[in-house]
Amino acid sequence: NAGVTQTPKFRILKIGQSMTLQCTQDMNHNYMYWYRQDPGMGLKLIYYSVGAGITDKGEVPNGYNVSRSTTEDFPLRLELAAPSQTSVYFCASSPFSGPQDGYTFGSGTRLTVV
Amino acid sequence: GQQVMQIPQYQHVQEGEDFTTYCNSSTTLSNIQWYKQRPGGHPVFLIQLVKSGEVKKQKRLTFQFGEAKKNSSLHITATQTTDVGTYFCAGIGLVTDKLIFGTGTRLQVFP
Repeated sequence: NAGVTQTPKFRILKIGQSMTLQCTQDMNHNYMYWYRQDPGMGLKLIYYSVGAGITDKGEVPNGYNVSRSTTEDFPLRLELAAPSQTSVYFCASSPFSGPQDGYTFGSGTRLTVV
Repeated sequence: GQQVMQIPQYQHVQEGEDFTTYCNSSTTLSNIQWYKQRPGGHPVFLIQLVKSGEVKKQKRLTFQFGEAKKNSSLHITATQTTDVGTYFCAGIGLVTDKLIFGTGTRLQVFP
């Protein structure tokens, strides 16, 4: 049981490039989330999904897109990368009953935009 | 929108000393969760509190939810070097299903 798996672990992007951060969970959780964490700061919600085919914006969605075609996968797309998107990105999931059962986080993707 | 603040931002303690972090929400919460993040790691779920005035213990850690369900605290008794990390509270408001994370308290323990 791997939990939440994120790839890649590290990435350097040039300004204007695009990339997809992958997130997969094998716990059959309905809820999935993307957070970003800037150095020394808390976690900001980017997008979340309550099930396959359903996504919604969080606190800081600008510059990002998501899709949820399956229960397991919740990729995060960065279009036209900017230095302000340099951050650590965490994917998380929670069970069908919702976030009140605690989130399981992936190990994160450290992204640098230069 | 809903905001969750934590104090202090940093705390340095000598091993064996106690430590407390406080969490305050701008709105009433349906529940509150606590997470620990080791340096360079990812947040790990510790506990959830739901009831007004609820107190839960995990070994040396004591968690409390305020009577008004707008604040919470985490107290660590006799800290150890393994307690090093950032402790986040996270709350779900009454009209939202999104978990909003607090600003975090970074704990450093000196041996």
